[in-house]
Amino acid sequence: DAMVIQNPRYQVTQFGKPVTLSCSQTLNHNVMYWYQQKSSQAPKLLFHYYDKDFNNEADTPDNFQSRRPNTSFCFLDIRSPGLGDAAMYLCATSRGRVAGDEKLFFGSGTQLSVL
Amino acid sequence: AQTVTQSQPEMSVQEAETVTLSCTYDTSESDYYLFWYKQPPSRQMILVIRQEAYKQQNATENRFSVNFQKAAKSFSLKISDSQLGDAAMYFCAPRAGANSKLTFGKGITLSVRP
Repeated sequence: DAMVIQNPRYQVTQFGKPVTLSCSQTLNHNVMYWYQQKSSQAPKLLFHYYDKDFNNEADTPDNFQSRRPNTSFCFLDIRSPGLGDAAMYLCATSRGRVAGDEKLFFGSGTQLSVL
Repeated sequence: AQTVTQSQPEMSVQEAETVTLSCTYDTSESDYYLFWYKQPPSRQMILVIRQEAYKQQNATENRFSVNFQKAAKSFSLKISDSQLGDAAMYFCAPRAGANSKLTFGKGITLSVRP
């Protein structure tokens, strides 16, 4: 089945140690998103790619970066994780962004812990 | 920009009963879309139902329906014949026009009592 896959399901890192979360999709969608979701809170959009066009949210910390080497893969890099970065990170895709009713397809998320 | 308010953090419903989850939003756009997403304990978020603001008819998907009150900027989700699998966190999310981002509310945790 076509889907959005996030690995690993759980990731533990040390304070200040760079970490990379990965996302892949078999839907051949143009748009890929990264959301941060802290416990019992709404998912917060960090950035998204429309094809190779990178779009950063204004309030996304510089500590967070992303790479999309091809259509299928997108990575979230946290350069120097702090305790406040512990959260669930959700990857999502959509076919396009032109239509306002565009549906998002989500992965199962990566739960990041920072020790 | 749009804002969304889900004022009920938790709700509970008896299996087979009906429950309504509330959501209010604010946007300056005239053309927008409204979504309800469900996030079960497994954490994969899935779309439940969507509504185009220009449509007066309320959207329906099987046991799920919405009560869209445009003037009041209210978009509630009704779940009929609740099932144990409906237990999840439900997020209301408006999207104002094309090329705009989805804004999630804080969510409502729904529990279903057997």
